[in-house]
Formats: sequence, structure tokens, C-alpha cells
Amino acid sequence: DVKVTQSSRYLVKRTGEKVFLECVQDMDHENMFWYRQDPGLGLRLIYFSYDVKMKEKGDIPEGYSVSREKKERFSLILESASTNQTSMYLCASSLIRAGNTIYFGEGSWLTVV
Amino acid sequence: AQSVAQPEDQVNVAEGNPLTVKCTYSVSGNPYLFWYVQYPNRGLQFLLKYITGDNLVKGSYGFEAEFNKSQTSFHLKKPSALVSDSALYFCAVSLLINAGNNRKLIWGLGTSLAVNP
Repeated sequence: DVKVTQSSRYLVKRTGEKVFLECVQDMDHENMFWYRQDPGLGLRLIYFSYDVKMKEKGDIPEGYSVSREKKERFSLILESASTNQTSMYLCASSLIRAGNTIYFGEGSWLTVV
Repeated sequence: AQSVAQPEDQVNVAEGNPLTVKCTYSVSGNPYLFWYVQYPNRGLQFLLKYITGDNLVKGSYGFEAEFNKSQTSFHLKKPSALVSDSALYFCAVSLLINAGNNRKLIWGLGTSLAVNP
């Protein structure tokens, strides 16, 4: 079965803290994605990666960075967390071929206080 | 601009009745279209997709969707709704982003489906 694992389901962090959200997939997928989901705004793409050490900005990259040192792992980093980054964060992965299904993790709820 | 629209924020239907969740798109070229479902506090689960071929696509949990090129629509349907179908439904279209054939999905804002007993 397809598996995308987000290590933290619920986090509470303080303003200014550095936050790491980890995602691992076991399907040997080339593509990996980080989205944030907010009520009324749907899913917005933060960053994506189509190969190890490769990254591309999505629609809302400001305030975020990513790391992909290994094919199976894609980390989202909030260098200095702010309250407007309180959200649900979703990791996803897919094969690189067009039309392939994207598979999602269960999500990480981040609250910044 | 390339976009996906889900014109209804919420759909209410009685259990046992047919349901339709609407999706229209505006993209150049031949679209790859997807439907996902999200249950409360969970990630998104894949339901079905249209890539090519038969316009009627069957997916998980008894759902199906019909691709209509002339109306640029990809509505999600189910003949008989269950209370357990109550969830948030997202439509998405795959967009080519560079010459390397990399794609990303453009998402609708979601439709909340409530199935009443």
C-alpha cells in the first residue's frame, strides 16, 4: 500500500521558533510536495521537488524553505514561525510521469502562539 | 488564467438520493483531472482521475465522474448517497509547468458534502 508519513500530527510552537515538518514516502516517488490548507483558501502549494536536492517554489514560498537530501524524505522548514503560519500542512508525493496520482500524508496541524 | 472552479461551497443531499458535486476547469491542452476526498482532520484520499479514453470514469467507494470536453466539466456523481460520504471534496487539474514535463495540480477550493439520514 502507498504510504506518505508525516511524523508530527499536532504541533504547538512559539513565535520566532524554527520549525521542522518531516515527510517520508516509501513508494520511490520522484515528486514530493508541501501544501498548506486553510478554510476558504483550499490547498496552496508551498514548495515541490522533482528530484533529490532539487526544489521549486510553489505559490506561497515566503517564510518557508525545504530540504530534500534523500529521495524518500522532504522536509519543510519555517525559519522563524509566525502566527499567520498556523495551518494544516500536507505533504504529498507522486511519480514523475504525467497523469500519475498524487498521494497525501495525514497532515500536520501547526499552531503558532 | 488556468483555473479550476467548484461552484458550490456546500451540497446537501438525503441518504439514498443521487449526488453530484460540480467541477469546471479552464486550462489549455488536454487536461488530466482528479477528484479527492478529505474526511475531518485527515489528509486527502484519491477517488478517481481522467487521463484519456472513456469519458465516464469509475472510482473508489462507488463514485464516478464524467468528463465533458465541450462544457469543460468533470462532475463527481454517486447514484445513492451514504451518510458516510459526508466530507470535503476537491477537484484538481494537472498543469504542465516546464519543458521537462513536470506537472503540478491546480486545485478547486473544495465542496463540503453533507448527507442527511
